[in-house]
Amino acid sequence: KAGVTQTPRYLIKTRGQQVTLSCSPISGHRSVSWYQQTPGQGLQFLFEYFSETQRNKGNFPGRFSGRQFSNSRSEMNVSTLELGDSALYLCASRKDSNNQPQHFGDGTRLSIL
Amino acid sequence: AQSVTQLDSQVPVFEEAPVELRCNYSSSVSVYLFWYVQYPNQGLQLLLKYLSGSTLVKGINGFEAEFNKSQTSFHLRKPSVHISDTAEYFCAVSDPFGNEKLTFGTGTRLTIIP
Repeated sequence: KAGVTQTPRYLIKTRGQQVTLSCSPISGHRSVSWYQQTPGQGLQFLFEYFSETQRNKGNFPGRFSGRQFSNSRSEMNVSTLELGDSALYLCASRKDSNNQPQHFGDGTRLSIL
Repeated sequence: AQSVTQLDSQVPVFEEAPVELRCNYSSSVSVYLFWYVQYPNQGLQLLLKYLSGSTLVKGINGFEAEFNKSQTSFHLRKPSVHISDTAEYFCAVSDPFGNEKLTFGTGTRLTIIP
């Protein structure tokens, strides 16, 4: 069974640009969550999507947005990139059941120059 | 609001020695508890989880953890570590009421000394 797939693995952008990251969940998983990991702030929750609807949101500015498609694949977009957006962005998926854990992809490492 | 405290940022241990990684949490409601491991340049892999029931939880790679409600702790243990256990370990909580958000601790870097 294929795991959570995130593309691309690495990305370099400059300040002011925008970026879109992609996440394909495990087959049958309908919930997709996104996290940002930085050395300073650790792992922080961005948002969660289920059935194409944002179900939960963390404390990030509106420059961070996402969406989910009918096949459960999800994309995350960051506009007007700042140096502080450099991070590992992790996607996690799970079955829609309260006692099911989240399964993580290997992440997209975003570097802002 | 929930929070997780991992008291040790780095833990060096000799190979084949036992190890305990500490995790304490704070929450006004009951919680689900998790331990994840992160190897270099990889995502997070689930080691074990506590949802309810037996307070001693066994996970993959020989790890286990014990939920202690009175001390609000969920410490991770392994009786004999191997070089391949070198990684960063994260404790996390979520609430059991459908909230997907995982709240993570700051992580503990486990270094195995040959």
